[in-house]
Amino acid sequence: GENVEQHPSTLSVQEGDSAVIKCTYSDSASNYFPWYKQELGKRPQLIIDIRSNVGEKKDQRIAVTLNKTAKHFSLHITETQPEDSAVYFCAASSSNNDMRFGAGTRLTVKP
Amino acid sequence: EAGVAQSPRYKIIEKRQSVAFWCNPISGHATLYWYQQILGQGPKLLIQFQNNGVVDDSQLPKDRFSAERLKGVDSTLKIQPAKLEDSAVYLCASSLASLETQYFGPGTRLLVL
Repeated sequence: GENVEQHPSTLSVQEGDSAVIKCTYSDSASNYFPWYKQELGKRPQLIIDIRSNVGEKKDQRIAVTLNKTAKHFSLHITETQPEDSAVYFCAASSSNNDMRFGAGTRLTVKP
Repeated sequence: EAGVAQSPRYKIIEKRQSVAFWCNPISGHATLYWYQQILGQGPKLLIQFQNNGVVDDSQLPKDRFSAERLKGVDSTLKIQPAKLEDSAVYLCASSLASLETQYFGPGTRLLVL
C-alpha cells in the first residue's frame, strides 16, 4: 500500500519569508496529491491539490510541485503571514482508493 | 450548502465499553470516509465507502471496529470493545467521487479511560 513521508515535522519562519514542505510517496500508481491545513482543534481543510498530469499548480501565495519520477511533491507558501500558522498535511491516493496522509508539519510564522 | 455533520462531538467511555459515531455527508456526495486522527499525527483512513459499498477497509481493525453506510447516505462507525489506544478524533469526510476534494466534518473526540 501507499506510504507517505513528510518533512520537516516543524518549521518556523519569519513573516514575509517563504515556507517549503516536502513529501515523498511510495506507490507509483498514485495520481492525486492534496494538501490540507489544520488549525488547532479544527477540521482539516483542503488548500490545494495536484494531479499527476501536471507538474505545478499555483493559487495566489500557495503552489505545489510534483516530480513523478522521484515520487515527491512539495508545498510552497510565499509571503507568509501569521494566519498561515497551522499544521499542514500532504496526502497521496491512486484509483485504488488508498488515501494516505503524511504525519504533518507544524508551521509557525513569527510576526 | 450544509457541511458534513458528525455526532456526538465528544465522548468519554471506559475501556471495554462500546461506542458509536454518526456521520451525515454533504448531499449528493457518493464517497464517504472515516479517519482516525491520534493527537500529533496525520489522519489515518479507516474505511472508505462508495455509495453503500466498501472500497477500502485495509486499515480498519476489524476485530473491534465496524462501519456501515446503509442506503448510501448516513454512516455509523462502531468500536466494540474500546481500548485505551482508541482515544483519538474520529473524522468523517465526503466527496463527490473518489480522488475529488474531501470535505471534513468537525470530528468526534473520543477519550477512553
